[in-house]
Amino acid sequence: DIQMTQSPSSLSASVRDTVTITCQASQDISNYLNWYQQKPGKAPKLLIYDASKLETGVPSRFTGGGFGTHFTLTIYSLQPEDIATYYCQQFGDLPRTFGPGTKVDIK
Amino acid sequence: QVQLQESGPGLVKPSGTLSLTCAVSGVSISSGDWWTWVRQSPGRGLEWIGEIYHTGRTNYNPSLKRRVTVSVDRSKNQFSLNLNSVTAADTAVYFCARDPANTGRFDFWGQGVLVTVSS
Repeated sequence: DIQMTQSPSSLSASVRDTVTITCQASQDISNYLNWYQQKPGKAPKLLIYDASKLETGVPSRFTGGGFGTHFTLTIYSLQPEDIATYYCQQFGDLPRTFGPGTKVDIK
Repeated sequence: QVQLQESGPGLVKPSGTLSLTCAVSGVSISSGDWWTWVRQSPGRGLEWIGEIYHTGRTNYNPSLKRRVTVSVDRSKNQFSLNLNSVTAADTAVYFCARDPANTGRFDFWGQGVLVTVSS
């Protein structure tokens, strides 16, 4: 299986800060990487697909980047509604695997 | 609008079989999409269980393959999950989701159902 790691595991930032989350794959997955946002008690919500493409309806302050084994999710101008846990997920191979998550809260 | 809704028992006895159904609305299950089960627990995080195409073709997580079956009922526009020989480690929130056209992403999800394995 392709192992996914994320850092940091949690972070606290102020409103309007820029926040960056990193995701690393255990092998080259090209751009086969998605990002999700999950709020407590809810299903994950797709934010970014194919490493850098913004899902319809997602605010443009969310940006994805990276290729190969190293990927980033950046939230520009953090908003209170962005409090959530963020997960990366690879689809370079089966089984699909997810990162352990990064919990984001507001200072 | 695509909607998915899980249903099934919230409590299963150890060594029993966990059975869940995902009702799909807003799109035909016979479209070019794949239909997926994912579970989430504090210990395992988000774990992909398996997927099915409307023809019945399936892919499973090797870690669960011996115990899992995913099936589709095109007449009811729904798909199902069976997981047998369950233990406490199978206690989790189970989600169904759509993978549009086998793109590898999950764009629509059910709200999730908590299944507890306990006697």
